[in-house]
Amino acid sequence: AQSVTQPDIHITVSEGASLELRCNYSYGATPYLFWYVQSPGQGLQLLLKYFSGDTLVQGIKGFEAEFKRSQSSFNLRKPSVHWSDAAEYFCAVGATGNYGGSQGNLIFGKGTKLSVKP
Amino acid sequence: DAGVIQSPRHEVTEMGQEVTLRCKPISGHNSLFWYRQTMMRGLELLIYFNNNVPIDDSGMPEDRFSAKMPNASFSTLKIQPSEPRDSAVYFCASSRLGGEGSPLHFGNGTRLTVT
Repeated sequence: AQSVTQPDIHITVSEGASLELRCNYSYGATPYLFWYVQSPGQGLQLLLKYFSGDTLVQGIKGFEAEFKRSQSSFNLRKPSVHWSDAAEYFCAVGATGNYGGSQGNLIFGKGTKLSVKP
Repeated sequence: DAGVIQSPRHEVTEMGQEVTLRCKPISGHNSLFWYRQTMMRGLELLIYFNNNVPIDDSGMPEDRFSAKMPNASFSTLKIQPSEPRDSAVYFCASSRLGGEGSPLHFGNGTRLTVT
């Protein structure tokens, strides 16, 4: 069964510092991977997605993520964090059914809460 | 594009009462998902529909939970009777079926408190 692990529950970085949020997935084939962000009281907003091709994908708000098959990872990065980036970040993998086809739904990690120090 | 619309935003009810959560997906999207978010369990898929047909309801916790999608623009999630452990944020999401890995678009959620 597919699963997603986000090992860091809470991270604090200083404004202007670089950021890397970790995500590891368990999946038997080429995964479809996503990063979402959730601000307090809001739904989840898509930051970026990986389907195939270039392993470094660019997203909104200056975020990028790199797919590394050998490490089963899809870490999210940003070179310079802004105070408005404080939120919770979720990594997700596209689920497949018993016969391998896409089910359409996503399996989410438990999230990493990002705090930004001034 | 109005996005996925959920109502109500907040619901407070007493144990034993019936609760109905509503969702309007993005126009043109033909997959709809209900998720529940709690501190303990994170985001859990409850049920999802493709073309108004329930595909997988294995995440529905008990028979007290039911979901319907009578047409392409409306879905409900009902809890009857409600219990305090049902307190959570319930999210509806929609996507366009047809490509593997289509991203989900989420509503702002309904925060349910059962006392």
